[in-house]
Amino acid sequence: EAQVTQNPRYLITVTGKKLTVTCSQNMNHEYMSWYRQDPGLGLRQIYYSMNVEVTDKGDVPEGYKVSRKEKRNFPLILESPSPNQTSLYFCASSWGTGVSTEAFFGQGTRLTVV
Amino acid sequence: DAKTTQPTSMDCAEGRAANLPCNHSTISGNEYVYWYRQIHSQGPQYIIHGLKNNETNEMASLIITEDRKSSTLILPHATLRDTAVYYCIVRVFQAGTALIFGKGTTLSVSS
Repeated sequence: EAQVTQNPRYLITVTGKKLTVTCSQNMNHEYMSWYRQDPGLGLRQIYYSMNVEVTDKGDVPEGYKVSRKEKRNFPLILESPSPNQTSLYFCASSWGTGVSTEAFFGQGTRLTVV
Repeated sequence: DAKTTQPTSMDCAEGRAANLPCNHSTISGNEYVYWYRQIHSQGPQYIIHGLKNNETNEMASLIITEDRKSSTLILPHATLRDTAVYYCIVRVFQAGTALIFGKGTTLSVSS
């Protein structure tokens, strides 16, 4: 089954404690991205990656890092989380080239930073 | 990407057709209309997309006006499980580009 898997689904952490949210896809997609969703602000792109070792900033990259060492994985790293990063996070993947541009989303990670 | 305008909310009776409108008056010639939905904080789900012809798949139909300034997503027989936020997005048909989500339409299907 084609899917994007995020872990963990829920996370409560304290300010300043480094954390990583993992994302893995099994569709051999080139393009992967991270979004955050906040009430009243909708979904906003944090970072994206066009392929292995190719990453770039989205609309709200501050406070986040990503890496793309393998095609299937695209972890989101918060080096020093702050309360304003409390949010619902989604990873997405799609083909980087070709006919289909449908994006597949993970089930989300609800992060609370206290 | 062109901006879209959708009603904030809509109601629909179970079993009836749900018609969700979207205005995109500044759409460019190379931009497609995409629809996604998000069910209760789950990850957004792709529904359908089109350029200028009407499109239909197993989930829905997409009707685009001749001038392409507006479109309608049709769920032919809405069920309770179709209760969700529906997003209309216009973007170029280029794989690997960001989706710009607006506020969407909250569709409530009731029995």
